[in-house]
Amino acid sequence: QQQVKQSPQSLIVQKGGISIINCAYENTAFDYFPWYQQFPGKGPALLIAIRPDVSEKKEGRFTISFNKSAKQFSLHIMDSQPGDSATYFCAAGTKLTTDKLIFGTGTRLQVFP
Amino acid sequence: DGGITQSPKYLFRKEGQNVTLSCEQNLNHDAMYWYRQDPGQGLRLIYYSQIVNDFQKGDIAEGYSVSREKKESFPLTVTSAQKNPTAFYLCASTAGTYTDTQYFGPGTRLTVL
Repeated sequence: QQQVKQSPQSLIVQKGGISIINCAYENTAFDYFPWYQQFPGKGPALLIAIRPDVSEKKEGRFTISFNKSAKQFSLHIMDSQPGDSATYFCAAGTKLTTDKLIFGTGTRLQVFP
Repeated sequence: DGGITQSPKYLFRKEGQNVTLSCEQNLNHDAMYWYRQDPGQGLRLIYYSQIVNDFQKGDIAEGYSVSREKKESFPLTVTSAQKNPTAFYLCASTAGTYTDTQYFGPGTRLTVL
């Protein structure tokens, strides 16, 4: 019940296309859903995060869509660029897990020109 | 320039030897975390500490040990009891709660020969 399932494992997108990464969870106590971006050989960095009181959050070309009833959330990258090529991790957190985040397994995105 | 420092970036050890990975932060953060990253398995929590002189086991603590004697330092020892220690190790810190951004270090790639 503590897992966050992420798909797909890898994604190849043409430059200018839309990249979509999906995550699903079971624990209804989760109330914080961040996405982290990791470039090769680097540590992850926070990209965007959402709380369940909103269904969508947009920051530039990055949008999180949240479906509370389906217990799913997704990251959309509009106008994907080669510089977006990285590994993306979704995560979920709740005060009940003592300040830990539960991370998904990651999606390796490759954007080709 | 605030951040998290991990050293060394690459580490090679012979099987059966203990090895200590360094993690230092100058962000004045209370909470620190150690994750292990393997291909296709995401970020798995090894140990975390929310305050000096206190730490808790994560999901895969067996074969690892930590200490938190100073707020800015959280070293991880990979012992000979760890069955498969070759991996990419990431240290992170937050101001204290699960909704605070986790700041990651650049990681240490440990290879056991």
